[in-house]
Amino acid sequence: DQQVKQNSPSLSVQEGRISILNCDYTNSMFDYFLWYKKYPAEGPTFLISISSIKDKNEDGRFTVFLNKSAKHLSLHIVPSQPGDSAVYFCAASDTNAGKSTFGDGTTLTVKP
Amino acid sequence: DVKVTQSSRYLVKRTGEKVFLECVQDMDHENMFWYRQDPGLGLRLIYFSYDVKMKEKGDIPEGYSVSREKKERFSLILESASTNQTSMYLCASSLSYRQNTEAFFGQGTRLTVV
Repeated sequence: DQQVKQNSPSLSVQEGRISILNCDYTNSMFDYFLWYKKYPAEGPTFLISISSIKDKNEDGRFTVFLNKSAKHLSLHIVPSQPGDSAVYFCAASDTNAGKSTFGDGTTLTVKP
Repeated sequence: DVKVTQSSRYLVKRTGEKVFLECVQDMDHENMFWYRQDPGLGLRLIYFSYDVKMKEKGDIPEGYSVSREKKERFSLILESASTNQTSMYLCASSLSYRQNTEAFFGQGTRLTVV
């Protein structure tokens, strides 16, 4: 039973356009959500997070939206840059469990 | 600058060998984690620890054990390495149990079992 799903294994966008990465979850106990970015041969690095009491969080070019009723979150990158090309992982946490569950990742390619 | 350091970037071991993967963090974090990353499977949690000498099983603990004798160090042990344990292993740490903060990851260890 996969509790966190990223249904698009890959996404390709043109430089300057918007990238939208999606994530769905099934566990209603999840109350904190994070996005990580991973370059090849490196560990993931934290990008942005959102608590379940909010529906939007922005940090520069990155915005995360949370729709609790649909159990869906998305990451918007505007404008996309070639340096954004990486694997993006969605993660969800149940505060009481003390750990995060990760999705399978989406490989984003931003073309110059 | 926060840091999680894994002892090796690349390892090649033989089937049946006992393998130790070491991880050290310098942030005084309480939580430490071991994940493996495989293509199409994302990051899967093997074990985690929220205190010295404490450990909890993750989603795929079979064939692995862990040790946390000091707060800054978390070791993953493959008791008898098998080819299906060939993978990228990632160590991470985060601030404390039941606090919603991000995890900091090491650079990963690419383990090949032959």
